[in-house]
Amino acid sequence: DVKVTQSSRYLVKRTGEKVFLECVQDMDHENMFWYRQDPGLGLRLIYFSYDVKMKEKGDIPEGYSVSREKKERFSLILESASTNQTSMYLCASSLTYSPLHFGNGTRLTVT
Amino acid sequence: AQTVTQSQPEMSVQEAETVTLSCTYDTSESDYYLFWYKQPPSRQMILVIRQEAYKQQNATENRFSVNFQKAAKSFSLKISDSQLGDAAMYFCAYRSAFQGAQKLVFGQGTRLTINP
Repeated sequence: DVKVTQSSRYLVKRTGEKVFLECVQDMDHENMFWYRQDPGLGLRLIYFSYDVKMKEKGDIPEGYSVSREKKERFSLILESASTNQTSMYLCASSLTYSPLHFGNGTRLTVT
Repeated sequence: AQTVTQSQPEMSVQEAETVTLSCTYDTSESDYYLFWYKQPPSRQMILVIRQEAYKQQNATENRFSVNFQKAAKSFSLKISDSQLGDAAMYFCAYRSAFQGAQKLVFGQGTRLTINP
């Protein structure tokens, strides 16, 4: 089975901190995604990557950046965390034209 | 841009009964894929069922089936013989079939409660 691992299940950070959310997949998938999940809004795409060192903006990239130095790892970076970035963050990976496989999510609280 | 709408924030059903979750989408494309994902309290998103737009036959996976109405841009999920383990958030999602298009567009979600 595909395993997508997010480094933290819960995270509490202070406003202004730089925050790293890490995601690792073990199935050599070329595509990786970061989504944000909020009640009533569903999942919204922040960034995605088709290959190592490649990245593309999703629907809500403002305030976020990403890094993909190795194929298995896709990091989401909040350069200066703000309270409106309190949310659930979901990482996913896939082979091209195949369904997405998701991690268990990181619930981030920014105080 | 494509959009997906789930107009039922919450639904409930008695155990062993049948429930239908609604989903509509908006697109100008003719070829695409539609999905239903389930998110139980564990937060792990699980693929329930998928439908290719070019297929007229509705997809079925055990107790889960869809009613795909392409002209109406409607994609509902029917759960038969509901079980307690079906309680979860359900998300409808769309993906373009264009080459290179891999991202999913999700609806707002429907929280399904199963009453024993």
